[in-house]
Amino acid sequence: KAGVTQTPRYLIKTRGQQVTLSCSPISGHRSVSWYQQTPGQGLQFLFEYFSETQRNKGNFPGRFSGRQFSNSRSEMNVSTLELGDSALYLCASSPNRGDPSTDTQYFGPGTRLTVL
Amino acid sequence: GQNIDQPTEMTATEGAIVQINCTYQTSGFNGLFWYQQHAGEAPTFLSYNVLDGLEEKGRFSSFLSRSKGYSYLLLKELQMKDSASYLCAATRSDKLIFGTGTRLQVFP
Repeated sequence: KAGVTQTPRYLIKTRGQQVTLSCSPISGHRSVSWYQQTPGQGLQFLFEYFSETQRNKGNFPGRFSGRQFSNSRSEMNVSTLELGDSALYLCASSPNRGDPSTDTQYFGPGTRLTVL
Repeated sequence: GQNIDQPTEMTATEGAIVQINCTYQTSGFNGLFWYQQHAGEAPTFLSYNVLDGLEEKGRFSSFLSRSKGYSYLLLKELQMKDSASYLCAATRSDKLIFGTGTRLQVFP
């Protein structure tokens, strides 16, 4: 089975711009989660989507949004970019066998976003 | 890392044993994951504990004490390729909350 894929792998934007990142989960996985990883804060949970619905959300401002399509692919969008948004954005998919607390998440390679 | 604490850095020698500790808030806790992340790569799943006790998987073992809010990852017969960050993550209210990770450097 192919793993989780994310595009693009690298992105450079300037402050005030917006960006859309894409994630394709492992075939058959229905849950997609997004994380922001920075050296100081580690991995921080952004949101999780299941069956095209946002099921969980972390403590990020409304500039961060996402969606999931019927084929389970997901996108996240960041509007009005700030310098502090520079980070590695990781997407993870899980099979979601009914108990989210036991579902192993499989991570993609990430998109490294640099905001200048 | 939202009340999940693990040491920032550790060093060890090839062939040795190292234990990476993780403490977490017990309220709402469901289970505990360990992930390995090499520099510039995605985190990869190592282990999952939901019951108290030790789970062994080859050179890696993970322990959980639910009452104490404590887990550790034990790496035996260390190899150079084990140099990586090790992330402890707790499931709480259907969210996976990560610690900031422990960077392990293995020296020859």
